[in-house]
Amino acid sequence: GQQLNQSPQSMFIQEGEDVSMNCTSSSIFNTWLWYKQEPGEGPVLLIALYKAGELTSNGRLTAQFGITRKDSFLNISASIPSDVGIYFCAGTGNQFYFGTGTSLTVIP
Amino acid sequence: EAGVAQSPRYKIIEKRQSVAFWCNPISGHATLYWYQQILGQGPKLLIQFQNNGVVDDSQLPKDRFSAERLKGVDSTLKIQPAKLEDSAVYLCASSLLGGPRVDTEAFFGQGTRLTVV
Repeated sequence: GQQLNQSPQSMFIQEGEDVSMNCTSSSIFNTWLWYKQEPGEGPVLLIALYKAGELTSNGRLTAQFGITRKDSFLNISASIPSDVGIYFCAGTGNQFYFGTGTSLTVIP
Repeated sequence: EAGVAQSPRYKIIEKRQSVAFWCNPISGHATLYWYQQILGQGPKLLIQFQNNGVVDDSQLPKDRFSAERLKGVDSTLKIQPAKLEDSAVYLCASSLLGGPRVDTEAFFGQGTRLTVV
């Protein structure tokens, strides 16, 4: 199946720092979604993007749908300990594909 | 609004045994997905339903996995017989829009953690 490449694979940051992660694909998608998954839970939707070039914010989170429709990034500003988790991008068209995940650790 | 419900939360079985998972999607959601998430990886789509019809099952190991969504609401995923490599979290998700184009958000259940020993 389709593979979405996320980077970085893992991040260790100090509380208060900003975080940036991205997702790339060889295929065009109609929608980009960003999810957060905590241990023992299913992924929880953070942000949904529907148009190329769209920039959307949800609190301290900001995500953009790349102009080429083959990439997206997620930024988290002023990180806090509860931001810890694995962040997945997902692209949709005729199917629904997930990225490889970025594991975020926030050090108080 | 109630979320996607899955049961059981945990299951431990021996290899070659059978197991079934149940999912109740969000009310009114036409599309239902089953994903397999192996530890340390992103979810992998196994099967996608629109109402009670299969839209995509290209990655479902059909020799041992089966799924149904009778009446277009609840769904069950079965593994028979299980192998050690089937140990994973099985996630169910649902989304509002029907049709093969999935241009809307999917909401996930908590998953069923399967351990095959």
